[in-house]
Amino acid sequence: AQSVTQLDSQVPVFEEAPVELRCNYSSSVSVYLFWYVQYPNQGLQLLLKYLSGSTLVESINGFEAEFNKSQTSFHLRKPSVHISDTAEYFCAVSDNLRNTGKLIFGQGTTLQVKP
Amino acid sequence: DGGITQSPKYLFRKEGQNVTLSCEQNLNHDAMYWYRQDPGQGLRLIYYSQIVNDFQKGDIAEGYSVSREKKESFPLTVTSAQKNPTAFYLCASTTSRFDSGAGGYTFGSGTRLTVV
Repeated sequence: AQSVTQLDSQVPVFEEAPVELRCNYSSSVSVYLFWYVQYPNQGLQLLLKYLSGSTLVESINGFEAEFNKSQTSFHLRKPSVHISDTAEYFCAVSDNLRNTGKLIFGQGTTLQVKP
Repeated sequence: DGGITQSPKYLFRKEGQNVTLSCEQNLNHDAMYWYRQDPGQGLRLIYYSQIVNDFQKGDIAEGYSVSREKKESFPLTVTSAQKNPTAFYLCASTTSRFDSGAGGYTFGSGTRLTVV
């Protein structure tokens, strides 16, 4: 069965510092990988995704994630965070094996950006 | 603008009552999903539907029921059999189950259910 592990439940960081949110997955088949962001009392928004091709994917607001097949990881990074990046971040993997369109989510990482 | 509308935003339920959460989308998406979110547990799948008049249980379906009579609508009923219903409920949709989620999910803004 597929699973996703986000290694940190909370990540405090100062504004303008770099950050990495870690995500590992387990799967015996090829997968699609996603990062979603959730602001308080809102739904999730897609931040970026890896489907195929280049292992480095970027979002429009400066986040990037790198797919590492050998380490089964998809860590999210940003070189300089802003206060507005404070949110909860979810890593997810698609259930490609059964082709159900289902996503399996990690437990979430709360990014707390401090001034 | 296209999107998913969940209502109400906040809902209070007395013990022993059934309540229904609404989810409507105007994206012409085939597949719709209901997730439950609890602090520290991520999102857990309750039910999903890939076509009208068909739906499947997710990982935590006990105490919940759904219907899919129209493509646009996927209401979730939290029954009195659900022993711990207080949570944040999220509805999502995607174009087709055949894209294995590649198109990404579109989420509603959620309903927070509290048992009083």
